[in-house]
Parts: sequence; C-alpha cells; structure tokens
Amino acid sequence: ETGVTQTPRHLVMGMTNKKSLKCEQHLGHNAMYWYKQSAKKPLELMFVYSLEERVENNSVPSRFSPECPNSSHLFLHLHTLQPEDSALYLCASSQFGGNTEAFFGQGTRLTVV
Amino acid sequence: AQSVTQPDIHITVSEGASLELRCNYSYGATPYLFWYVQSPGQGLQLLLKYFSGDTLVQGIKGFEAEFKRSQSSFNLRKPSVHWSDAAEYFCAVGLISNFGNEKLTFGTGTRLTIIP
Repeated sequence: ETGVTQTPRHLVMGMTNKKSLKCEQHLGHNAMYWYKQSAKKPLELMFVYSLEERVENNSVPSRFSPECPNSSHLFLHLHTLQPEDSALYLCASSQFGGNTEAFFGQGTRLTVV
Repeated sequence: AQSVTQPDIHITVSEGASLELRCNYSYGATPYLFWYVQSPGQGLQLLLKYFSGDTLVQGIKGFEAEFKRSQSSFNLRKPSVHWSDAAEYFCAVGLISNFGNEKLTFGTGTRLTIIP
C-alpha cells in the first residue's frame, strides 16, 4: 500500500470515447502530479497541482484535461485520444518544503484502440 | 534545465553477485537525488534519496547510493542481489520550483535481470 491509489488499473478506450482516470492520496500531501510513462522513453511530467491549483502544464495536448477538486483527489479526463497516447499513467503526491519525496500510485495502463 | 543519464539500458547479473547501476545528472546546483524501482505492471517505489549531508545514503532492500559531486554521479549499489531485485530502476533529479512543489526529472531507466 503506497498511500496513493489509482483507478482503474487498466483501461481500453476507443478514439472517440471519453473516460477519466482517478487518483487519491491518503498521505496529507499538498501537491499532486500526473506522469506519462511510454515504452523506451523517460517518465514525462504532464501536470502539477500545488494546493489544488494547477501550477504546471508541460505542453500537454488539450485532449488531456486534469482536475483537482481537493488536495486528496486528482483526475485526468480523456477525450478523443490517439493510439500514441497508449501508456502507463502514473499519479504521484508529495509534501513540498524540503526533504520530501514523491510517492507514486501503481498507475493506469491505458490502451487506445 | 536538469537532465539525468542512465547509460546502461539493461544489466544482467547472477544471483548473489554485486550490483552497480550508474546515474549521472546535469544540474546547476546541488540537486535532490532519488532512486526508484518499478516492478512489472507496478508504480514506482522509492529506494533511497539524497538531500544533503552524508554522501553515502542507505535505502531499503539493502541498497545504497553514493553522491559524488565531482563526477555528477549518484550510482546505486547492492553487495549481493536477490532474484526479487529483478525490476526497472530509475534515477531522478528533483528541484523545488517557484511554486514550492517538486519537479522530478527521470532517467530512461535500467532494466535489471537476475540469472540463477
């Protein structure tokens, strides 16, 4: 149990579908993150939320839409995805202020068909 | 911008043998350094971290890493590997942004295979 829970663990969706990934952290952290892990590429930071406010968007296409309703929950809304968006999507949380590390969820394996 | 290089894509070692995974980073100041491990189909688990102080840090599962500023390296070591250590290992550099949150830059990972 890492303290960061992601659902679903696996998702297959068509290019015209709309789906959402959910992340919940039970660690009392104040920052949450979405990372994308594709084969043979480094983990890519997608979005950062600090104190429920989006503070970073690393040039992610608009077909990915994050939402952070409170400090414990983070969503990634997906619509009209492309096959190259198939990847493992990892959520993480941390408590900024020095001497802290990010805790990761187990990820959602997304396949776009 | 910071960057992380893990020069070994895949390493195979025999069970019981020693292990060293290499990591080099590029960053203008002293960074926060991390090693994470990922088993197939799983998320990332923190093995150890370096923020300041003693340059030799101990982690979980018998791993250690040494920060060498002169070489910009943070290599991961284990004196005797176990079959359960087979996984993908990621080195990461962290920095605190203007907003106070932590940005991690990851290397491409090293896949470790253990043979009997």
